[in-house]
Amino acid sequence: NAGVTQTPKFQVLKTGQSMTLQCAQDMNHNSMYWYRQDPGMGLRLIYYSASEGTTDKGEVPNGYNVSRLNKREFSLRLESAAPSQTSVYFCASSEARQGGSPLHFGNGTRLTVT
Amino acid sequence: SQQGEEDPQALSIQEGENATMNCSYKTSINNLQWYRQNSGRGLVHLILIRSNEREKHSGRLRVTLDTSKKSSSLLITASRAADTASYFCATPMDSSYKLIFGSGTRLLVRP
Repeated sequence: NAGVTQTPKFQVLKTGQSMTLQCAQDMNHNSMYWYRQDPGMGLRLIYYSASEGTTDKGEVPNGYNVSRLNKREFSLRLESAAPSQTSVYFCASSEARQGGSPLHFGNGTRLTVT
Repeated sequence: SQQGEEDPQALSIQEGENATMNCSYKTSINNLQWYRQNSGRGLVHLILIRSNEREKHSGRLRVTLDTSKKSSSLLITASRAADTASYFCATPMDSSYKLIFGSGTRLLVRP
């Protein structure tokens, strides 16, 4: 059982380049999330998807777009990368039950923008 | 702005001792969650406590929740070197399913 799979694991971009981070989950979860984690800090929510076809902004959505392709997949796109977007990006999923559900995380994509 | 804030930021203890981490949050919540992150890895869920619960146990972990003080604590008893990690609390944003994380407590357990 793979859980949450993120690709790629590492990426180096030049300022202004674009890329898409991929995430897929095999737990039949409704909700999916994208977070970023900067060194020594906690996670900040970029975007959230409650279900297929819906997305919602989190704490730090500027500079990013997302696409909930189907129930399994939730991608994050950087249209024009900036050095401030150097970070570790985590995807997560959950059942989204009333009263709270645990999140299941992927192992992250380490992105460097030069 | 972050909903939850952990305290202390860093904690160093000897193997066998207990470790206590605290989390304060700002708005009303229906649940609070604790996660562990080993270096270079994704977060792993530890415990979820709902707003109508005051205490919850899981193995060597004990979590308390005081909604009147808007605070929670995570106690790890009889710590082991393998408990060395960062620990985060997370609370819902705007009464939604969106979880917001604190900045974490870095725990070092010395053998």
